[in-house]
Parts: sequence; structure tokens; C-alpha cells
Amino acid sequence: GAGVSQSPSNKVTEKGKDVELRCDPISGHTALYWYRQSLGQGLEFLIYFQGNSAPDKSGLPSDRFSAERTGGSVSTLTIQRTQQEDSAVYLCASSWGLGDGYTFGSGTRLTVV
Amino acid sequence: GDSVTQMEGPVTLSEEAFLTINCTYTATGYPSLFWYVQYPGEGLQLLLKATKADDKGSNKGFEATYRKETTSFHLEKGSVQVSDSAVYFCALSEQQGAQKLVFGQGTRLTINP
Repeated sequence: GAGVSQSPSNKVTEKGKDVELRCDPISGHTALYWYRQSLGQGLEFLIYFQGNSAPDKSGLPSDRFSAERTGGSVSTLTIQRTQQEDSAVYLCASSWGLGDGYTFGSGTRLTVV
Repeated sequence: GDSVTQMEGPVTLSEEAFLTINCTYTATGYPSLFWYVQYPGEGLQLLLKATKADDKGSNKGFEATYRKETTSFHLEKGSVQVSDSAVYFCALSEQQGAQKLVFGQGTRLTINP
């Protein structure tokens, strides 16, 4: 597609439920990144994909968080047993390769109530 | 690890005023440097970048020069407009591993007519 697409744009979920956030990167972009932007905070790195593999998962906050990427394209970020502190905007970005500036999606605003 | 420090906001200016948003960094090696902008209700957009010392990035009237001696990448614009109201993020691209972007905390800019 023309840009990075994320869905849903907004998600309200009850504490303890699982959620899945989807990212469709720009076609042909091999690198894909997930970031989290909490209220009043900067952008926190979560995980990086090169193709379908994730060489850097160092930013995932806990084992409740996982992500996968299939076909070198779509990625899904899954949060299990959501907690209120998981409330944030989750941003996905993609790029042609290492070190390039990213193209960001508009994000998914997650609210855990 | 690598880090980015930005001038704290919020910053409020009148239209046509001169803008400077300070950004300094700590990094091993020679990272690429970026400014991203987030307009209200939108995703992050790459505003400009510089990949080596003394490079000047520019776009939409904004400029920033990569200063290795002062480890800085200050954002400037000679005459701001109301439409420049947004949150601005300074970032660097790590030189190792995933070469992920490390972001500053962001500076909220409001331009009054």
C-alpha cells in the first residue's frame, strides 16, 4: 500500500482480556518496528523484524507481549491478559533497510478499562 | 546506551517568530539523526534527517545541522506558522544491531496567530 496501515485505530478492552494489533507495512519494506507511546512519554521501542525474524525483542515489557510477522509483510502484536498500564498508542513503522528513516502508521490507541 | 535529550516543552510562539528546539545526543559511533513531527491526530512523519557530521537537513522551511563537536542537532525555522503546531521528536539511528531509532521525549509546539 501507499503507507503503513494499522488496525484497529482505537481499541477499548477490559483488563485481563487479550488483544491483537495489526500492522500492514509498505510493500517491499523489509524492516518493521513496533513502538509504544504512552501519555506524556516519548516513544518506547518494543520489537524489530527483519523479514520474518525478530533479531531484537529487547523492548517487550513482559512475557504478556509477543509479536509475529508472516510473509515478510503483515505483523501482529499480541498483548495477553491486558493491564491498565498497557494503555498507550502502539505505533508500527517500516523501512527499506537498516538505518533509514522510518514511515510510521497512524497507530492503535489501546485503552484498558 | 544511546540517548537523545530534547528541550522540554511546551513551547508557545507567535506566528512569524523564530523557532529553535534544542536536541543533544549521546551515542557510540556516528549515528544518523532525524527530526520527526506529529501533527494533531496524525502519525509521526519524517521531517528531515542528516547522516554525517556537518550535514544540514532541511524541509518545509525547517533546518537542522549535525554538529559532532557539540553532539547536537537543533531544529530551527525562521518564521513559524500556525500550521507548524505539532509535537516534534528528535531521534538517532543506532549504529549497531537493529539500528533502531532512539527518540527524545518530544516537544509540543503551539503557534498562536
